[in-house]
Amino acid sequence: VQLVESGGGLVQPGKSLKLSCSASGFTFSSYGMHWIRQAPGKGLDWVAYISSSSGTVYADAVKGRFTISRDNAKNTLYLQLNSLKSEDTAIYYCARKDLVDWGQGVMVTVSS
Amino acid sequence: DIQMTQSPSFLSASVGDRVTINCKASQNINKYLNWYQQKLGEAPKRLIYNTNNLQTGIPSRFSGSGSGTDFTLNINRVEPEDFSVYYCQQSNSWPLTFGSGTKLEIK
Repeated sequence: VQLVESGGGLVQPGKSLKLSCSASGFTFSSYGMHWIRQAPGKGLDWVAYISSSSGTVYADAVKGRFTISRDNAKNTLYLQLNSLKSEDTAIYYCARKDLVDWGQGVMVTVSS
Repeated sequence: DIQMTQSPSFLSASVGDRVTINCKASQNINKYLNWYQQKLGEAPKRLIYNTNNLQTGIPSRFSGSGSGTDFTLNINRVEPEDFSVYYCQQSNSWPLTFGSGTKLEIK
């Protein structure tokens, strides 16, 4: 199992960013997937989940601003981040359903 | 949301010690409590799932116990590679929530 995040970077408050998580080594379409984040020096913060049938669940802190989606043909998970705030600054990890397999993480910095 | 309270936040131990980390849920989470280890600069690694089930490949010196709202992670005979941060996490209901972490340091 391999999960590789990309798309992070420095973005201004109020702007948008789209993260990707490329999956390999398993049947991606059969598994739910999570995004989890970790602010610098802080603990783990669950962000969103998408089921194998594309049902979604969000943390209250990101509901209405972030959108999780998937493209099973491309074996890729996405997180669209809109209306970004400084408190969204974190390493964003994608993880497979049971949180056994995680990517290496991608840094998102929201700053003017 | 279910709040997960971990204690202690910091724990000093020597190689060979037995250590205990506690995790308390704000409401009943049945058996759905998981433990993770995170080393600096790495993604978390799941150690234990559903209170007391050892993840494949994790050494048997790690064990978990508890039920309902109170849970414990034990490490028997701490090894040098065990000094890291540990998190509990409930998977009983949405949103998933994590404890604030326990940093295990070398005494």
